[in-house]
Amino acid sequence: ETGVTQSPTHLIKTRGQQVTLRCSSQSGHNTVSWYQQALGQGPQFIFQYYREEENGRGNFPPRFSGLQFPNYSSELNVNALELDDSALYLCASSSGQDRNTGELFFGEGSRLTVL
Amino acid sequence: AQSVTQLGSHVSVSEGALVLLRCNYSSSVPPYLFWYVQYPNQGLQLLLKYTSAATLVKGINGFEAEFKKSETSFHLTKPSAHMSDAAEYFCAVSSPSGGYQKVTFGIGTKLQVIP
Repeated sequence: ETGVTQSPTHLIKTRGQQVTLRCSSQSGHNTVSWYQQALGQGPQFIFQYYREEENGRGNFPPRFSGLQFPNYSSELNVNALELDDSALYLCASSSGQDRNTGELFFGEGSRLTVL
Repeated sequence: AQSVTQLGSHVSVSEGALVLLRCNYSSSVPPYLFWYVQYPNQGLQLLLKYTSAATLVKGINGFEAEFKKSETSFHLTKPSAHMSDAAEYFCAVSSPSGGYQKVTFGIGTKLQVIP
């Protein structure tokens, strides 16, 4: 059983640029959630995708957007990067049953640094 | 709105001593509760979960937690700390919100184990 994989693991961007982060969900999981974890903080919910549609969103501006593909993989796009966007971005997948409880299976994250 | 409070951002224990990490939650509906562990530069891994069955929940690596509704608490314990337990621990609460399970994390407690 393949776990959640994320790419890239590390990247550096400059303010104003755009970034795309990718996530492959665990085998059999149809729901993907994205979280932002700033240094010294807990993960903050960005949004969730189920059956290729966004079905939940946290307090993040529209420049944070996403996609889910038919194979349940997902992308997180961030436009007009700001210094405060520097964080670990975590992707988490869940199965149909796990969706009912909120149990999440996390990847190892993509560390974004904005200069 | 739901929330999680983790008392003590840093906890130090001696190897072999009791580990107690505190978590209190707020939720307008009966919640599901989770503890996750994060090792440096890694994603989050599920330790244990409460999903309205037994109130005393056993997890991996000898950890357990007790759901106390009257105290709105879900404290994590382990009888004897091991060096490998040094990590950051996150408590999370999950409840329905507009068609999806909203998961909210605490800010985390960093556990140091002293030899």
